[in-house]
Amino acid sequence: DQQVKQNSPSLSVQEGRISILNCDYTNSMFDYFLWYKKYPAEGPTFLISISSIKDKNEDGRFTVFLNKSAKHLSLHIVPSQPGDSAVYFCAAVFQGGSEKLVFGKGTKLTVNP
Amino acid sequence: NAGVMQNPRHLVRRRGQEARLRCSPMKGHSHVYWYRQLPEEGLKFMVYLQKENIIDESGMPKERFSAEFPKEGPSILRIQQVVRGDSAAYFCASSPDRRGSEAFFGQGTRLTVV
Repeated sequence: DQQVKQNSPSLSVQEGRISILNCDYTNSMFDYFLWYKKYPAEGPTFLISISSIKDKNEDGRFTVFLNKSAKHLSLHIVPSQPGDSAVYFCAAVFQGGSEKLVFGKGTKLTVNP
Repeated sequence: NAGVMQNPRHLVRRRGQEARLRCSPMKGHSHVYWYRQLPEEGLKFMVYLQKENIIDESGMPKERFSAEFPKEGPSILRIQQVVRGDSAAYFCASSPDRRGSEAFFGQGTRLTVV
């Protein structure tokens, strides 16, 4: 059972435009959410996170929105740059347990110059 | 300050052989998580270890897989009698305490079983 879902395997946007990556989850016990960026042949690197008590967190060009009632979160990248091209993983965790991350399958973002 | 070091980066094994994957956590980190990424999939949790203790192995296959994190030295993920389906990228992440959400990932070991 897929507890964290990223339904778009890929996304292509023009440089300078907004990229919106979506993520849905099913387990209401999750209380912390993260986005990771991953280049080929490298490990995931942390991008931004949000606690379930918030609905928005912003860091530079990256903003994560959380809609708890819909069990949905999204990552906005504005403006998108070619260097943002990578696979983005959404992850969720239940803080207080072993804190293992539950990942979605990822969305491959391509930003065209 | 070196990051999480995994070796080897690439490992080729024939079916039935053993695979040993090593993970040296960041300095000062005593908690290690192992994840596996199958082709076209997200990362899936395998095991969480603290020095000399397995805390959560709920994601480990019941047979052929084992993990350890000794008092001295790296954490080891061991796969006995490998099969083609074990071909994947294996990532470890380390954290200074019990906060997997703040763990740093290594570059991974790509295991290919031929």
